[in-house]
Parts: sequence; C-alpha cells; structure tokens
Amino acid sequence: GESVGLHLPTLSVQEGDNSIINCAYSNSASDYFIWYKQESGKGPQFIIDIRSNMDKRQGQRVTVLLNKTVKHLSLQIAATQPGDSAVYFCAEWARDDYKLSFGAGTTVTVRA
Amino acid sequence: DAGVTQSPTHLIKTRGQHVTLRCSPISGHKSVSWYQQVLGQGPQFIFQYYEKEERGRGNFPDRFSARQFPNYSSELNVNALLLGDSALYLCASSLGRGRETQYFGPGTRLLVL
Repeated sequence: GESVGLHLPTLSVQEGDNSIINCAYSNSASDYFIWYKQESGKGPQFIIDIRSNMDKRQGQRVTVLLNKTVKHLSLQIAATQPGDSAVYFCAEWARDDYKLSFGAGTTVTVRA
Repeated sequence: DAGVTQSPTHLIKTRGQHVTLRCSPISGHKSVSWYQQVLGQGPQFIFQYYEKEERGRGNFPDRFSARQFPNYSSELNVNALLLGDSALYLCASSLGRGRETQYFGPGTRLLVL
C-alpha cells in the first residue's frame, strides 16, 4: 500500500485566511518530500520541497514543516487566494528508491 | 522556457487496442518518468528512464512498456487496453537519475470504451 497519505480529503478555507494541509507518511526510509498542486485538467505543479535534514522551509506564501519523530509534514499557505483552489499532494522519495510516491491528495476550496 | 509537453491531450480507444503516448522533457533534462493517475487518486509510478535505459518500474503489467530516444523524449505504450486503463497519464522530467524534483506535463487523458 501507499506509504504517503493525507489526513483530510477536503479543506474549505475563507479567502485571506491561512490554510494548513497535513500529510502523514509511514516509510522511515523516506527522506525527501515534495508538495505539488494540481489544478483541474492540469498536471501537478511543484510548490516546495524539504529534505529530512531540515524541519522547516519557506517559499513565497508557503511553508513546509517536517516532523520526523511522528512522520508528519504540513503545508501552510498564507493569505489563501481563490487561485489556491486545487488538489494538493505530498510526495516522498525513500532512500535508495527510484520512484516518487504520492498520497491521495487534499482538495482545497477557497470561499470568497 | 517550454515545460514538459505531452501528446495527444485526449484519446479515446476501445478495449483490446494499443495506444502510444508521447512526452518531451524540459530542455536539458535527461530523465523521464511516467505516472498513471486514476480519477480521485494520486499519481502512481509506472517507469523511469534515464539516458535511454529503464531505471525503475512500478507495479504495472507487461502490457505497459516505454522507451526513451536520443533526444530524451519518451513514448509510453500500452497493449491490449482494458477499461481500467482509463486514466490521466503524466510524464515528468528531471535533470538526472537521482532523487530530484520532477516537473510534470499536462498529461494525456485516455478513455477506454
């Protein structure tokens, strides 16, 4: 089965609020994680990544947090905008692996 | 700069037929990976090719095959199509064969009737 999964399949957020999308993983060999955004009818778009030697990484309006102790990572989106409405996937690379493994995704809907 | 391109965008086939999907990676990228995304699920890894050689294969039957050309473009072939092969087929490119960021194309939507 998949080692990467998300806590909630859907998330509704008021425009302007902050969004938090969670992801749990079970493979202790995973040490590189990537967040992707997929809009309807499009391929996944890279948002931000983090390696296991880091706990936090920030991008433009996004922050990824990694808690290796409980095998959990989260994506925080600041000041959520209508264009942030999409499906968000966390994906993982395990050490010595050749493939990227995806979770099922969380659908984020931004309310005006 | 052009991103990953895929063709065709949409395709309708009937059971038992064969299909070929094409992908052109980002310029300078030598690795191409293929994924299948069934509606409502995350992408599932099918193949990775680097320097024209298969570097990894997911849990897919032998009906699925692929190849990479000297210009690093790639084809995914699926024989004896089944209804369950209906999905979005995604191609992703990366610079090398290692664990690097993969950049995805828009996908080919395949419908098997």
